[in-house]
Order: sequence, then C-alpha cells, then structure tokens
Amino acid sequence: GESVGLHLPTLSVQEGDNSIINCAYSNSASDYFIWYKQESGKGPQFIIDIRSNMDKRQGQRVTVLLNKTVKHLSLQIAATQPGDSAVYFCAEKSTSGSRLTFGEGTQLTVNP
Amino acid sequence: DGGITQSPKYLFRKEGQNVTLSCEQNLNHDAMYWYRQDPGQGLRLIYYSQIVNDFQKGDIAEGYSVSREKKESFPLTVTSAQKNPTAFYLCASGTGLTEAFFGQGTRLTVV
Repeated sequence: GESVGLHLPTLSVQEGDNSIINCAYSNSASDYFIWYKQESGKGPQFIIDIRSNMDKRQGQRVTVLLNKTVKHLSLQIAATQPGDSAVYFCAEKSTSGSRLTFGEGTQLTVNP
Repeated sequence: DGGITQSPKYLFRKEGQNVTLSCEQNLNHDAMYWYRQDPGQGLRLIYYSQIVNDFQKGDIAEGYSVSREKKESFPLTVTSAQKNPTAFYLCASGTGLTEAFFGQGTRLTVV
C-alpha cells in the first residue's frame, strides 16, 4: 500500500482555448471507458463515457476519442473556462466484470 | 435524496489502531468500490464488491478489510497492518455496467 511517488502530469491553458487531455489504458479486455473530473478535496464526478464499439462521443463542450489500436483515450474540452480547472482521470472496465481501474490523471489549470 | 455517503469526513488514528470508514448508498447499486488517493496522485483500487456477501481484492488490499453484509453498505477497515494509512479514501457505487458514483471522501490521518 505504499505510495509510488509519482506526480500528476499538468496542462496549463488560457481561458477560451481548447484543451486536450490524454490517457493510455492497459487492458485489452476493457470495453467501457469513463472520464471523471475531480476538484480539490472532493470525490470524482462523471463527465462522459464511451463504449468500445464507438470511436468518438460528444457531450456539452466535451468530446471523448477512443483509439483501440493503440489503447489511447482523449478528452477534448472546448472553450475552456476557469471552472474547468481540476484533475481529470480516465477509467476503464470490462463489461464482463465490475472492476473499475483509473489512469494516472492530469491536473488542468485554466489561466484567465 | 439519492446518493452515496461517506463518514466521517476527517478521521484521526493512533498508530496500532484499527479504524472503520463508513460508506452507504441508497442508489440500489450492486457494485461498490474503495479507492485510496495519496496527495497529487491517482486512485488506487483497494477492494470492490459486485454483489452482497462477495468482494474481491484490488491492487492494494494488504492492510485493509471489507464486508458486504447489506447491499447499501460497504465499510472499510484500515488495520494496524497498513503501515502508511494516511490518505484520502474514496468510496463509489455503480450498476457494474456503467459509471460509478463517488462519495465525498474520508481523509484519514495517523497521529
């Protein structure tokens, strides 16, 4: 249960710019993917999800892209706002089980 | 009001003591999860449960124990065998088929 001592990657953008946050996943059997947003001292909140039979899904100001060939997921945030500043995590699971595993996360900072 | 509730929000433990963190959900979810988060780091899976009276170890189960006697409850005990328990603990629940919903966390500190 020891900390591995790694720190989150960071991304700094200007207000109004588009942000792209990337995530690599490891399990080829994963077929469902989720992006979460975590504000300081709070639990993660669901943003958007995508199943492996899709390669793109859009929500309000957010788009998730899935590349199963290279096991890569990205989250695009359009017109980034100061309220978007948070840590963003991707998570993966297989629909044949309940285990939900998180990626390392990215700290997004939006500068006014 | 539906949701997932963790208590307490802050917890202090003396070295050598066991402590139990509470997690309750009224969302009728089958799956429940416990994660540990260290400062500036990601979420690591401790235990998860897909159904009442059944649970599986995650990636860092050593020094922790859980029970799932009721669908709505999934308490986590941090035992004295956990050598570095100071962390932010997050509980989540879900259907097992879609996203999980998180509580607001318990911050455990060893004093």
